[in-house]
Amino acid sequence: NAGVTQTPKFQVLKTGQSMTLQCAQDMNHNSMYWYRQDPGMGLRLIYYSASEGTTDKGEVPNGYNVSRLNKREFSLRLESAAPSQTSVYFCASSVQDYTEAFFGQGTRLTVV
Amino acid sequence: DAKTTQPPSMDCAEGRAANLPCNHSTISGNEYVYWYRQIHSQGPQYIIHGLKNNETNEMASLIITEDRKSSTLILPHATLRDTAVYYCIVRIHSNSGYALNFGKGTSLLVTP
Repeated sequence: NAGVTQTPKFQVLKTGQSMTLQCAQDMNHNSMYWYRQDPGMGLRLIYYSASEGTTDKGEVPNGYNVSRLNKREFSLRLESAAPSQTSVYFCASSVQDYTEAFFGQGTRLTVV
Repeated sequence: DAKTTQPPSMDCAEGRAANLPCNHSTISGNEYVYWYRQIHSQGPQYIIHGLKNNETNEMASLIITEDRKSSTLILPHATLRDTAVYYCIVRIHSNSGYALNFGKGTSLLVTP
């Protein structure tokens, strides 16, 4: 039982490049989330998926897209990376969106 | 979701109880109080949550005042591994489409 797994753990991109952050959970959870955390700040919600087949914008969705591929997987795509997207990205999941959330270990992304 | 106010930092001696306060004076009747913590560079970890009664689990106790305008998270015997940022979050207990709203939290330093 791995919980929430994020790949990659570290990534360096050049401005304008694209990439997809992968997230998978093995707990049969309905809800999944993507957050970003900038240095010295709390987490801010980018996108979430309350259930398979649905996605909604969070607080800071600009510059990102998401795909809820199936119940297990929720990916985050940066189409044209910008230095302002340098951050630590956390994926999380929960049974329902008000129950205990489990977080992955994060992806540390640097855009140069 | 109601806004919360926490002190930015606190110290606690190892072995002593750590009492972390949270003010949520605008909390509404159907909002729960949640606590998460984030140990350096890791994903946040759920600790405990409650509505109006005091709650206890293997990690901590949550004391909510009778008027529900504030609460205290108690780590009964703090260890060095409890050094982390602690987040107090309030939210309603339904599939509202709201995810966790993290603020800046309280940075707890447990000293030997």
